[in-house]
Amino acid sequence: NSKVIQTPRYLVKGQGQKAKMRCIPEKGHPVVFWYQQNKNNEFKFLINFQNQEVLQQIDMTEKRFSAECPSNSPCSLEIQSSEAGDSALYLCASSLTSSQNTLYFGAGTRLSVL
Amino acid sequence: GDSVTQTEGPVTVSESESLIINCTYSATSIAYPNLFWYVRYPGEGLQLLLKVITAGQKGSSRGFEATYNKETTSFHLQKASVQESDSAVYYCALGDLANSAGNKLTFGIGTRVLVRP
Repeated sequence: NSKVIQTPRYLVKGQGQKAKMRCIPEKGHPVVFWYQQNKNNEFKFLINFQNQEVLQQIDMTEKRFSAECPSNSPCSLEIQSSEAGDSALYLCASSLTSSQNTLYFGAGTRLSVL
Repeated sequence: GDSVTQTEGPVTVSESESLIINCTYSATSIAYPNLFWYVRYPGEGLQLLLKVITAGQKGSSRGFEATYNKETTSFHLQKASVQESDSAVYYCALGDLANSAGNKLTFGIGTRVLVRP
């Protein structure tokens, strides 16, 4: 079983509020990914890190989301001003190397924006 | 762009029957595609079921098998005899082994499988 820990499991926010979720990657995994899975089960890659450095991110993430993976602290993903369309399951995954593509996923944070 | 298409669910089968979930992919921007099946059991997180890196090879796990077919761009998942505990949502995914910026998998929308006792 995966040892990627995501908190909280559920998050409810009003429109315009900040929404922050956290992820502890599997021990020894320096690469962390964030995905968004919407109500239609579609996955969208948001951003990934190697240690503290961003490897890739999509345009949406650059503008409205902030994410970091500080040393010795959980990684986090924060939506600066939540919108109804942000309601989704946010999945964190980690892997051993950037090119080793077995991703180990957490259970996710389900965000509802009212 | 890159995409994955899989059998639309739900798929309902009886215990001990065979199961096949079709998956086809399009890897227009990926130099070295590799393929995965992930599974989400009720109440649990997404977990890797099997993966195949090389075209022509077969992966297997927990009685499931899938063969990476480059000619038909397919990676169908099969099991000869399912059990009730196989009830889950199965996701086919496409990755890029050569992406040094970190592999971001492209997922299908998942196939819900219900196994009747």
